[in-house]
Amino acid sequence: SQQGEEDPQALSIQEGENATMNCSYKTSINNLQWYRQNSGRGLVHLILIRSNEREKHSGRLRVTLDTSKKSSSLLITASRAADTASYFCATDTGRRALTFGSGTRLQVQP
Amino acid sequence: NAGVMQNPRHLVRRRGQEARLRCSPMKGHSHVYWYRQLPEEGLKFMVYLQKENIIDESGMPKERFSAEFPKEGPSILRIQQVVRGDSAAYFCASSPLTSGSSYEQYFGPGTRLTVT
Repeated sequence: SQQGEEDPQALSIQEGENATMNCSYKTSINNLQWYRQNSGRGLVHLILIRSNEREKHSGRLRVTLDTSKKSSSLLITASRAADTASYFCATDTGRRALTFGSGTRLQVQP
Repeated sequence: NAGVMQNPRHLVRRRGQEARLRCSPMKGHSHVYWYRQLPEEGLKFMVYLQKENIIDESGMPKERFSAEFPKEGPSILRIQQVVRGDSAAYFCASSPLTSGSSYEQYFGPGTRLTVT
């Protein structure tokens, strides 16, 4: 699989539930970033976690990073219908060019 | 503070024509990146530029594609003799000049190219 691969590919939950998305990668990284993309729109930066960090919070978002397993997770708590979007992880190996996975499509049912 | 601007938002070209996509980075940002996104896929890196310099073009197809970021004006991604397979969304991102190794990239709304 490619660098920055998300799992699951698609996720459907009810409003108020938590959503967890996972990302695995293959090579060493400087940092890992999560982005959101609404259908047909550009990407919105959510959170950046550096390779020496293990957990980061931003509002209802919680990101963890396990460099020994080369994996990261994004948790969205108390989801809302407006959270419906595709979520991508992107890794920076130091080249400044980001490598994106194919994304998790999240559907939050009202 | 305007974000990254891209134009046009939608571009239709016939096979064999040229496509020019423009990107104006955020104010104060001197690094520009171009990515391509095919339907239902993630973004694929194409090229990274600073003013008047191409830093990394490892993701650019060897033929027909070129990019520039002149001293004055926007960055341009140019596709010559377009083919149907070039149909995609092209995103530009920018980041500030920083001595650190970690930074955020700010993305524009994208240009959706359709080749008929």
